[in-house]
Amino acid sequence: AQKITQTQPGMFVQEKEAVTLDCTYDTSDQSYGLFWYKQPSSGEMIFLIYQGSYDEQNATEGRYSLNFQKARKSANLVISASQLGDSAMYFCAMREGGTGGFKTIFGAGTRLFVKA
Amino acid sequence: NAGVTQTPKFQVLKTGQSMTLQCAQDMNHNSMYWYRQDPGMGLRLIYYSASEGTTDKGEVPNGYNVSRLNKREFSLRLESAAPSQTSVYFCASIRGDSYNEQFFGPGTRLTVL
Repeated sequence: AQKITQTQPGMFVQEKEAVTLDCTYDTSDQSYGLFWYKQPSSGEMIFLIYQGSYDEQNATEGRYSLNFQKARKSANLVISASQLGDSAMYFCAMREGGTGGFKTIFGAGTRLFVKA
Repeated sequence: NAGVTQTPKFQVLKTGQSMTLQCAQDMNHNSMYWYRQDPGMGLRLIYYSASEGTTDKGEVPNGYNVSRLNKREFSLRLESAAPSQTSVYFCASIRGDSYNEQFFGPGTRLTVL
């Protein structure tokens, strides 16, 4: 069965420093996708980055990169040069293959606090 | 394009009342989803629809029903609301033919007294 685990309920980081948010997953599918979303206090869900299970290189999007370690089933989000506006909830999500109708589940989230 | 729209934005129900949450997308997406988010928690999948005419249970389907009315619309019904269903409900959609991002609606904040 699909499972996503985020073990850090809250994280603090100093402005301009890098921070890593952890995510581990469990699936029996060979084909799957991993996603990170940001949810600010206003409540909307903002897509950040995507990694496919067959992608050989780690995904990057601006200040966001995904540290994908397939054998360890981890997909950690790295935010470089943190900004005050990065303070938010961050969710890791996984989508299994198309035969399952692209069922997508989310982890419990990590609340990030960026200190000035 | 409005993206994913949800109605209503807020709702207060009494225990035992019924209601339907509406969701529509104008992006011609195949797959649609309903999630609930309890305070300080992640999103939990209630039901999803891979394509028009199909629906499947997610992680927490009990107490809910869904209808994929057409390609655009996916509604969520609470037949007899309970205080445990107090939550924020998000609808989402994806194109469905690749691992592209989900587009989320703004959410419906539901309180059951």
